[in-house]
Amino acid sequence: GIQVEQSPPDLILQEGANSTLRCNFSDSVNNLQWFHQNPWGQLINLFYIPSGTKQNGRLSATTVATERYSLLYISSSQTTDSGVYFCAVEAGSYQLTFGKGTKLSVIP
Amino acid sequence: ETGVTQSPTHLIKTRGQQVTLRCSSQSGHNTVSWYQQALGQGPQFIFQYYREEENGRGNFPPRFSGLQFPNYSSELNVNALELDDSALYLCASSLGSPSGELFFGEGSRLTVL
Repeated sequence: GIQVEQSPPDLILQEGANSTLRCNFSDSVNNLQWFHQNPWGQLINLFYIPSGTKQNGRLSATTVATERYSLLYISSSQTTDSGVYFCAVEAGSYQLTFGKGTKLSVIP
Repeated sequence: ETGVTQSPTHLIKTRGQQVTLRCSSQSGHNTVSWYQQALGQGPQFIFQYYREEENGRGNFPPRFSGLQFPNYSSELNVNALELDDSALYLCASSLGSPSGELFFGEGSRLTVL
């Protein structure tokens, strides 16, 4: 099956700093989503981005499907950005395959 | 617009028991998927239901079963619970195509003692 690798696994930022999270995948995909999992466990949709670039406030994402990677940018980080960020892809098998996540801690 | 809702939010069972988890899909969505997330891991796909039929299944044994109802709500049933079934169970809904954007509920946290 398709492999999804996220980096870095852990990231500690000072409030106000910027960061880039990376997601590499091993095959062509129909769907790619970025999620933020809050401390209570809910997966919050950030982006549905099988290709191209999208922006939503301080967050933006870019997927380069031909090179099989996606990037999530967080600018001017806030403590509420803390949590685990997951990249998930679907490659024609009805299921989303998740990476292991990047655990982000933003300290004041 | 109502989001995905799951119940119960937390439950504790003992080995060998059976459990039923419930999910109401987001308004207008006709596809429901279930995922299991063990502590410290990413979610793993269990199965997907579309128009009341299972149309995709991950690497889970038959004691994991499900249903989808005409109103697109869904149940996940797990029989003969094992300690390793302790996890967060997440339901997601989407519209139409299996490749559509998925929206997740808050999850049901199951502890098996």
